[in-house]
Amino acid sequence: DAGVTQSPTHLIKTRGQQVTLRCSPKSGHDTVSWYQQALGQGPQFIFQYYEEEERQRGNFPDRFSGHQFPNYSSELNVNALLLGDSALYLCASSLQRSYNEQFFGPGTRLTVL
Amino acid sequence: SQQGEEDPQALSIQEGENATMNCSYKTSINNLQWYRQNSGRGLVHLILIRSNEREKHSGRLRVTLDTSKKSSSLLITASRAADTASYFCATDASTGNQFYFGTGTSLTVIP
Repeated sequence: DAGVTQSPTHLIKTRGQQVTLRCSPKSGHDTVSWYQQALGQGPQFIFQYYEEEERQRGNFPDRFSGHQFPNYSSELNVNALLLGDSALYLCASSLQRSYNEQFFGPGTRLTVL
Repeated sequence: SQQGEEDPQALSIQEGENATMNCSYKTSINNLQWYRQNSGRGLVHLILIRSNEREKHSGRLRVTLDTSKKSSSLLITASRAADTASYFCATDASTGNQFYFGTGTSLTVIP
């Protein structure tokens, strides 16, 4: 049973570009949450997807958007990249009815130059 | 903000010693969880304690929760070099289902 997977592992982009990160949830999970973790900080909640809709959102600008597909996998899109967007992006999956049991993927390290 | 804070920021101990780290948060919670993270990788769930629980054990881990003080502690007994990692507490506000992570404690266990 595969856990949460994320791709790519590492990514280098330049300012102003756009990026798409991908996440496949743990088998049987229907909810995906995305977090941004800057170096030396704790993860910050970006948003959560359930039934292909954004259910909750943290304090992130509209440049951050997402999508959930019918197979529960999810994408995180960031437009007009800024240097400050450099971070580890973590995906966590869970069941909506037991949201507190979140399983995290290994993360995607994004570097913006 | 709900975000918690761990204390100390960094802790260095000898193998075999106990490690204690603390977490404080700001608003009412449903649950508090502790996670471990190795070298900027994904988070590994360690233990969950519900708001109506005061203490919980899992192997060498002991977690306490004091909701009146809005604080929790994680004790790792008989530490091992493999316990070297960053440890985070995460809370979910009673009004929502998003997690709020603290700033983390960096633990180094010296062999």
